[in-house]
Amino acid sequence: DTGVSQDPRHKITKRGQNVTFRCDPISEHNRLYWYRQTLGQGPEFLTYFQNEAQLEKSRLLSDRFSAERPKGSFSTLEIQRTEQGDSAMYLCASSLMGVSYEQYFGPGTRLTVT
Amino acid sequence: QQQVKQSPQSLIVQKGGIPIINCAYENTAFDYFPWYQQFPGKGPALLIAIRPDVSEKKEGRFTISFNKSAKQFSLHIMDSQPGDSATYFCAATLDKIIFGKGTRLHILP
Repeated sequence: DTGVSQDPRHKITKRGQNVTFRCDPISEHNRLYWYRQTLGQGPEFLTYFQNEAQLEKSRLLSDRFSAERPKGSFSTLEIQRTEQGDSAMYLCASSLMGVSYEQYFGPGTRLTVT
Repeated sequence: QQQVKQSPQSLIVQKGGIPIINCAYENTAFDYFPWYQQFPGKGPALLIAIRPDVSEKKEGRFTISFNKSAKQFSLHIMDSQPGDSATYFCAATLDKIIFGKGTRLHILP
């Protein structure tokens, strides 16, 4: 299967701890996106990469959040000093450049901060 | 600051009926208007998309109607089936996707 995969699928952590999520996009896709979705809401854009370059970050992405895509393949999203308000589904998506409306989403990582 | 407004929040339709979901946008720089479908526990999946210079697009039972002057667009699902029960998001793109808040659709058997 060559879809977008995310790991872990679920993460429970205590407030103040750091967490890291991984996303593996579709191999030929050069764009990778991170979104956050809370219950009953649409996904909210966080950041995106074209190859290894981070091209845009949302104002939602506080300085506690950092994302990387070191070799233009997989990506990691780290949240430092987690807060209860960080509890959400974190979705990763990938696309080809120029077809940004056609993004393929992974199943998400559900984060619960206690 | 919500750039794509979607209504209704939820919708219940009898099997075979035609649910209609409406959206409005503000930014005229958006270059595509996709609709995504999401089932519980899954990521959203692209259903259909339209460019702003096209007034209507059909793919199977799904139709987008687009009114550029009113900055509104809608999704119609013909001959709806219980398997169409899901959350639908309208969206607009400018590199990234800006999603509406979603419509939870339930098709009664």
